[in-house]
Amino acid sequence: AAGVIQSPRHLIKEKRETATLKCYPIPRHDTVYWYQQGPGQDPQFLISFYEKMQSDKGSIPDRFSAQQFSDYHSELNMSSLELGDSALYFCASSFARGNEQFFGPGTRLTVL
Amino acid sequence: DAKTTQPPSMDCAEGRAANLPCNHSTISGNEYVYWYRQIHSQGPQYIIHGLKNNETNEMASLIITEDRKSSTLILPHATLRDTAVYYCIVVTDSWGKFQFGAGTQVVVTP
Repeated sequence: AAGVIQSPRHLIKEKRETATLKCYPIPRHDTVYWYQQGPGQDPQFLISFYEKMQSDKGSIPDRFSAQQFSDYHSELNMSSLELGDSALYFCASSFARGNEQFFGPGTRLTVL
Repeated sequence: DAKTTQPPSMDCAEGRAANLPCNHSTISGNEYVYWYRQIHSQGPQYIIHGLKNNETNEMASLIITEDRKSSTLILPHATLRDTAVYYCIVVTDSWGKFQFGAGTQVVVTP
């Protein structure tokens, strides 16, 4: 069965650079969620989109922005990267809000 | 969303049942109980969820107390591949965002 696809899987950036993470949901899923998991921490909700509109917002820094496109894929844009942004970033998708979420393999971002 | 409390760690012998408790005493009537697990930095994997009734699927069983203030995830025959952090999450049906708590580190030993 098709799963959530995230790209790239690994990304190394310098401080103050920008990064774009991409998420391709499971076909026919209309809701996308982004989570951040720092080293040794539990995943933290960042932001979600339902039918291409922002649905909910968590602890997402102002330096980050995200959107969901007409084909339902989503991109997380991160600017002015800081060392503390080094983390695993997971995308999850679901069919409508409130249903089980299926997570992608994650993008490991390292900021040097 | 209601907060959850889980034991930080649990050991289980291979082949035995693993019973993972979760306390969610402030759960509301429209909040579901979800269980996920994360195997060593992989994406969290869906296990099971329920509202009021007990649920069973090919992976596990979920027992929810009648007052819904606690639940137990049962892995019937633990294998070494079940070693993971298990998260109990309470979420409203209309929003779906997950607030991950600390989870239970389960180690299955031979």
